[in-house]
Amino acid sequence: RKEVEQDPGPFNVPEGATVAFNCTYSNSASQSFFWYRQDCRKEPKLLMSVYSSGNEDGRFTAQLNRASQYISLLIRDSKLSDSATYLCVVNRGGYSGGGADGLTFGKGTHLIIQP
Amino acid sequence: GAGVSQSPSNKVTEKGKDVELRCDPISGHTALYWYRQRLGQGLEFLIYFQGNSAPDKSGLPSDRFSAERTGESVSTLTIQRTQQEDSAVYLCASSSPSNSYEQYFGPGTRLTVT
Repeated sequence: RKEVEQDPGPFNVPEGATVAFNCTYSNSASQSFFWYRQDCRKEPKLLMSVYSSGNEDGRFTAQLNRASQYISLLIRDSKLSDSATYLCVVNRGGYSGGGADGLTFGKGTHLIIQP
Repeated sequence: GAGVSQSPSNKVTEKGKDVELRCDPISGHTALYWYRQRLGQGLEFLIYFQGNSAPDKSGLPSDRFSAERTGESVSTLTIQRTQQEDSAVYLCASSSPSNSYEQYFGPGTRLTVT
Protein backbone atom coordinates (compact mmCIF):
# COMPACT_ATOMS: atom_id res chain seq x y z
CA ARG A 1 0.00 0.00 0.00
CA LYS A 2 1.35 3.41 -0.91
CA GLU A 3 2.07 5.81 1.92
CA VAL A 4 -0.49 8.31 0.70
CA GLU A 5 -2.94 7.37 -2.00
CA GLN A 6 -5.33 9.60 -3.91
CA ASP A 7 -7.58 9.19 -6.91
CA PRO A 8 -5.76 11.22 -9.57
CA GLY A 9 -9.01 12.20 -11.32
CA PRO A 10 -9.66 14.37 -13.12
CA PHE A 11 -12.90 15.26 -11.43
CA ASN A 12 -14.97 17.35 -13.84
CA VAL A 13 -17.57 19.26 -11.85
CA PRO A 14 -20.02 22.00 -12.89
CA GLU A 15 -19.65 25.35 -11.24
CA GLY A 16 -21.73 25.60 -8.07
CA ALA A 17 -21.72 21.88 -7.39
CA THR A 18 -20.33 20.16 -4.33
CA VAL A 19 -17.36 17.87 -4.78
CA ALA A 20 -15.57 15.59 -2.35
CA PHE A 21 -12.49 13.47 -2.56
CA ASN A 22 -10.65 11.19 -0.22
CA CYS A 23 -7.13 10.20 0.52
CA THR A 24 -5.90 7.10 2.32
CA TYR A 25 -2.67 6.77 4.25
CA SER A 26 -0.80 3.71 5.36
CA ASN A 27 1.10 4.81 8.46
CA SER A 28 -1.10 4.43 11.51
CA ALA A 29 1.43 6.46 13.51
CA SER A 30 0.77 9.58 11.44
CA GLN A 31 -0.53 12.41 13.58
CA SER A 32 -0.85 15.42 11.31
CA PHE A 33 -2.76 15.81 8.08
CA PHE A 34 -3.11 18.57 5.55
CA TRP A 35 -4.53 19.51 2.20
CA TYR A 36 -2.29 21.52 -0.10
CA ARG A 37 -3.37 23.02 -3.40
CA GLN A 38 -1.22 23.14 -6.51
CA ASP A 39 -2.20 25.18 -9.55
CA CYS A 40 -0.90 24.18 -12.96
CA ARG A 41 2.85 24.76 -13.20
CA LYS A 42 2.86 26.50 -9.81
CA GLU A 43 4.19 25.56 -6.41
CA PRO A 44 2.00 23.84 -3.77
CA LYS A 45 0.37 26.00 -1.12
CA LEU A 46 -1.21 24.98 2.16
CA LEU A 47 -4.99 24.95 1.89
CA MET A 48 -5.90 23.70 5.34
CA SER A 49 -4.87 21.45 8.17
CA VAL A 50 -7.11 18.52 9.07
CA TYR A 51 -8.04 18.06 12.70
CA SER A 52 -9.47 15.00 14.39
CA SER A 53 -12.81 16.67 15.00
CA GLY A 54 -13.04 17.86 11.42
CA ASN A 55 -12.75 21.49 10.44
CA GLU A 56 -14.27 23.96 8.09
CA ASP A 57 -12.86 26.99 6.34
CA GLY A 58 -15.47 28.79 4.30
CA ARG A 59 -16.59 26.49 1.51
CA PHE A 60 -14.02 23.85 2.42
CA THR A 61 -14.51 21.08 4.96
CA ALA A 62 -11.85 18.56 5.91
CA GLN A 63 -12.42 15.41 7.91
CA LEU A 64 -10.25 12.69 9.34
CA ASN A 65 -11.17 9.08 9.94
CA ARG A 66 -8.37 7.51 11.95
CA ALA A 67 -9.96 4.08 12.16
CA SER A 68 -10.07 3.75 8.40
CA GLN A 69 -7.00 5.91 7.84
CA TYR A 70 -8.46 8.34 5.39
CA ILE A 71 -9.01 12.04 5.16
CA SER A 72 -11.49 13.86 3.00
CA LEU A 73 -11.95 17.28 1.48
CA LEU A 74 -15.34 18.65 0.56
CA ILE A 75 -15.80 21.79 -1.50
CA ARG A 76 -19.21 23.41 -1.56
CA ASP A 77 -20.51 25.88 -4.15
CA SER A 78 -17.47 25.26 -6.30
CA LYS A 79 -15.93 28.16 -8.22
CA LEU A 80 -13.96 28.17 -11.45
CA SER A 81 -10.98 29.29 -9.39
CA ASP A 82 -11.11 26.04 -7.42
CA SER A 83 -9.72 24.23 -10.45
CA ALA A 84 -6.38 22.84 -9.29
CA THR A 85 -4.67 19.73 -8.04
CA TYR A 86 -5.35 18.96 -4.40
CA LEU A 87 -2.52 17.25 -2.55
CA CYS A 88 -3.13 15.12 0.50
CA VAL A 89 -0.24 15.47 2.93
CA VAL A 90 0.50 13.31 5.94
CA ASN A 91 3.30 13.45 8.44
CA ARG A 92 5.34 10.28 8.53
CA GLY A 93 4.69 9.78 12.22
CA GLY A 94 7.15 8.15 14.52
CA TYR A 95 9.99 9.34 12.36
CA SER A 96 13.02 9.93 14.50
CA GLY A 97 13.65 13.32 13.01
CA GLY A 98 10.48 14.73 14.46
CA GLY A 99 7.60 16.45 12.83
CA ALA A 100 9.11 19.10 10.65
CA ASP A 101 10.88 16.76 8.33
CA GLY A 102 8.38 14.01 7.92
CA LEU A 103 5.75 15.09 5.40
CA THR A 104 4.64 12.74 2.66
CA PHE A 105 2.76 14.24 -0.25
CA GLY A 106 0.18 12.34 -2.25
CA LYS A 107 0.27 12.64 -6.02
CA GLY A 108 -2.84 14.78 -5.97
CA THR A 109 -6.38 14.81 -7.26
CA HIS A 110 -6.97 16.97 -10.30
CA LEU A 111 -10.17 19.01 -10.11
CA ILE A 112 -11.68 20.88 -13.06
CA ILE A 113 -14.63 23.18 -12.43
CA GLN A 114 -16.59 23.73 -15.60
CA PRO A 115 -18.69 26.84 -16.32
CA GLY B 1 7.33 39.86 3.19
CA ALA B 2 9.49 38.07 0.67
CA GLY B 3 8.68 34.45 -0.03
CA VAL B 4 10.95 31.56 -0.90
CA SER B 5 12.96 32.31 -4.00
CA GLN B 6 14.77 29.91 -6.27
CA SER B 7 17.22 30.36 -9.09
CA PRO B 8 17.49 29.79 -11.90
CA SER B 9 13.82 29.46 -12.82
CA ASN B 10 14.75 27.34 -15.82
CA LYS B 11 17.89 25.40 -16.60
CA VAL B 12 18.68 23.43 -19.72
CA THR B 13 21.84 21.37 -19.57
CA GLU B 14 23.53 18.63 -21.50
CA LYS B 15 23.70 15.12 -20.16
CA GLY B 16 26.83 14.65 -18.09
CA LYS B 17 27.15 18.26 -16.96
CA ASP B 18 26.90 19.39 -13.34
CA VAL B 19 24.19 21.82 -12.24
CA GLU B 20 23.69 23.88 -9.12
CA LEU B 21 20.26 25.02 -7.97
CA ARG B 22 19.80 27.70 -5.37
CA CYS B 23 17.13 28.33 -2.76
CA ASP B 24 16.64 31.39 -0.56
CA PRO B 25 14.20 30.54 2.25
CA ILE B 26 11.96 32.96 4.08
CA SER B 27 13.96 34.89 6.66
CA GLY B 28 13.68 33.23 10.08
CA HIS B 29 12.66 29.86 8.71
CA THR B 30 14.99 27.32 10.24
CA ALA B 31 13.79 24.31 8.27
CA LEU B 32 14.41 23.92 4.56
CA TYR B 33 13.34 21.13 2.24
CA TRP B 34 14.11 20.08 -1.30
CA TYR B 35 11.61 18.13 -3.40
CA ARG B 36 11.55 16.91 -6.97
CA GLN B 37 8.44 16.80 -9.12
CA ARG B 38 8.57 15.01 -12.43
CA LEU B 39 6.02 15.92 -15.08
CA GLY B 40 2.59 14.73 -14.02
CA GLN B 41 3.93 13.17 -10.85
CA GLY B 42 3.73 13.93 -7.14
CA LEU B 43 6.35 15.56 -4.96
CA GLU B 44 9.35 13.40 -4.17
CA PHE B 45 11.17 14.34 -0.95
CA LEU B 46 14.91 14.76 -1.41
CA ILE B 47 16.47 16.28 1.70
CA TYR B 48 15.66 18.30 4.80
CA PHE B 49 17.80 20.83 6.67
CA GLN B 50 17.33 22.07 10.21
CA GLY B 51 19.64 25.03 10.36
CA ASN B 52 22.71 23.97 8.43
CA SER B 53 22.57 20.32 9.37
CA ALA B 54 20.79 17.73 7.30
CA PRO B 55 19.18 15.14 9.57
CA ASP B 56 17.33 13.54 6.71
CA LYS B 57 19.04 12.82 3.42
CA SER B 58 17.02 9.71 2.78
CA GLY B 59 15.38 11.00 -0.35
CA LEU B 60 18.51 11.77 -2.35
CA PRO B 61 18.22 9.36 -5.30
CA SER B 62 21.92 8.76 -5.84
CA ASP B 63 25.36 9.95 -4.84
CA ARG B 64 25.26 12.34 -7.78
CA PHE B 65 22.93 14.49 -5.68
CA SER B 66 24.20 16.61 -2.82
CA ALA B 67 23.01 19.66 -0.95
CA GLU B 68 24.36 22.13 1.52
CA ARG B 69 23.07 25.05 3.48
CA THR B 70 24.83 28.05 4.93
CA GLY B 71 23.54 28.72 8.44
CA GLU B 72 19.81 29.28 8.29
CA SER B 73 20.04 30.85 4.91
CA VAL B 74 20.73 29.87 1.33
CA SER B 75 20.81 26.26 0.23
CA THR B 76 22.23 24.79 -2.94
CA LEU B 77 21.32 21.48 -4.51
CA THR B 78 24.01 20.09 -6.78
CA ILE B 79 23.48 17.38 -9.34
CA GLN B 80 26.64 15.95 -10.84
CA ARG B 81 26.86 14.19 -14.19
CA THR B 82 23.23 14.91 -14.97
CA GLN B 83 21.10 12.25 -16.62
CA GLN B 84 17.92 12.65 -18.62
CA GLU B 85 15.89 11.14 -15.79
CA ASP B 86 16.97 14.10 -13.64
CA SER B 87 14.70 16.34 -15.71
CA ALA B 88 12.05 17.67 -13.35
CA VAL B 89 10.97 20.71 -11.37
CA TYR B 90 13.04 21.04 -8.22
CA LEU B 91 11.05 22.71 -5.45
CA CYS B 92 12.41 24.21 -2.28
CA ALA B 93 10.27 24.89 0.78
CA SER B 94 10.89 26.39 4.20
CA SER B 95 9.00 26.41 7.47
CA SER B 96 9.17 28.36 10.68
CA PRO B 97 10.03 26.91 14.10
CA SER B 98 6.58 27.76 15.41
CA ASN B 99 4.67 26.04 12.64
CA SER B 100 6.86 23.38 11.20
CA TYR B 101 4.21 21.65 9.14
CA GLU B 102 3.23 24.65 7.07
CA GLN B 103 5.76 24.60 4.30
CA TYR B 104 6.11 27.57 2.02
CA PHE B 105 7.28 26.64 -1.42
CA GLY B 106 9.37 28.53 -3.89
CA PRO B 107 8.41 28.68 -7.57
CA GLY B 108 10.82 25.89 -8.43
CA THR B 109 13.62 25.38 -10.92
CA ARG B 110 12.63 23.56 -14.09
CA LEU B 111 15.60 21.40 -15.08
CA THR B 112 15.79 19.90 -18.54
CA VAL B 113 18.62 17.52 -19.34
CA THR B 114 19.12 17.02 -23.08
